[in-house]
Amino acid sequence: QKEVEQDPGPLSVPEGAIVSLNCTYSNSAFQYFMWYRQYSRKGPELLMYTYSSGNKEDGRFTAQVDKSSKYISLFIRDSQPSDSATYLCAMSDGGFQKLVFGTGTRLLVSP
Amino acid sequence: DGGITQSPKYLFRKEGQNVTLSCEQNLNHDAMYWYRQDPGQGLRLIYYSQIVNDFQKGDIAEGYSVSREKKESFPLTVTSAQKNPTAFYLCASSILQGGYTFGSGTRLTVV
Repeated sequence: QKEVEQDPGPLSVPEGAIVSLNCTYSNSAFQYFMWYRQYSRKGPELLMYTYSSGNKEDGRFTAQVDKSSKYISLFIRDSQPSDSATYLCAMSDGGFQKLVFGTGTRLLVSP
Repeated sequence: DGGITQSPKYLFRKEGQNVTLSCEQNLNHDAMYWYRQDPGQGLRLIYYSQIVNDFQKGDIAEGYSVSREKKESFPLTVTSAQKNPTAFYLCASSILQGGYTFGSGTRLTVV
């Protein structure tokens, strides 16, 4: 079993839809949780960064962490074609940063 | 502008040849990392470094070597011992307990 599980997709939605992307993990020591967006042939860019459980909102993006269920989510409201990319979850147990990444979910938003 | 620069963008390696991928950052980050990305496998850690003149093996270090002579630079050499080097290579840097900043990647192909 992988330490971090993420559905590879693709997930296809129409423009304006609410998108839900998810990851599950097995290591209860993870405390820092991140979401990265990666466009084709580019490096990932950090979207959201949260510590421990709870919600964090930034514009159209909301990150949720449920440590009791070992489950994290990224919600995208009013999705746009420019949101079409691969979304990677990542997490660490803190201290020196050595992130463990999910395999990424490919999102396609059609006009 | 601060960031990470990877070069070259595309690299072709002949059988039995060593090649070196460049990674330079001007973010004053202490930690630097090399990841390999293959379709369906996500990001896998090759090597990482917390401070100058010190580095540690990641999950897939065999066939690779690194150096960290300067804080700004963390070059990766793909040696002839790496039997399947064709992949997308990503360099990243971070401060302690911070998200990663990634470079734009180098696509290595064996010819």
